[in-house]
Amino acid sequence: RKEVEQDPGPFNVPEGATVAFNCTYSNSASQSFFWYRQDCRKEPKLLMSVYSSGNEDGRFTAQLNRASQYISLLIRDSKLSDSATYLCVVNTGNTGGFKTIFGAGTRLFVKA
Amino acid sequence: DAGVTQSPTHLIKTRGQQVTLRCSPKSGHDTVSWYQQALGQGPQFIFQYYEEEERQRGNFPDRFSGHQFPNYSSELNVNALLLGDSALYLCASSLTRLTGLRSDTQYFGPGTRLTVL
Repeated sequence: RKEVEQDPGPFNVPEGATVAFNCTYSNSASQSFFWYRQDCRKEPKLLMSVYSSGNEDGRFTAQLNRASQYISLLIRDSKLSDSATYLCVVNTGNTGGFKTIFGAGTRLFVKA
Repeated sequence: DAGVTQSPTHLIKTRGQQVTLRCSPKSGHDTVSWYQQALGQGPQFIFQYYEEEERQRGNFPDRFSGHQFPNYSSELNVNALLLGDSALYLCASSLTRLTGLRSDTQYFGPGTRLTVL
């Protein structure tokens, strides 16, 4: 079993649609969670951190369920510019450093 | 505010050669992590440096080594290159000041694309 698993995708949605990405992680000691987006042949860019209380940034909402070891990202009112690969990221570590595990990513295509 | 920079942007090597990639962290950051990203896959964690020491390591062979300098910049060295080492190598920086300002939010550089022939 992979340490971080995401929906395989790709997702093809029309503009204005709501799309949800799911992610599960295997290490219950993991302490920090993030969503990054990556455009083709570019570096990953931080989209948002994920907290148990849930957090929202405009059209984007992220949620963490520690009991189920599950992370989600919801994008409302999809725009063409949202087309990218979305990466689920989990950090595990101690005071001396942390180890980061990325999911394989889910590709999103938003079409006019 | 200077972001993460990496050099070179592209590199072509042949099997068996050695390569050194360089990274300067975002201004104010003290921790550097290195990743390998093969086409169509998520980045794979190689190792992390803080206070000039390797603090965490992923599942990569000893051919992959690194160094961090007093100014927090870092190098990734790969010896005895294999065809399978062809990938995008990403550097990310974060802040690990143990006196209470710790953050493991990472910011990535543009990467170095390595091709091994």
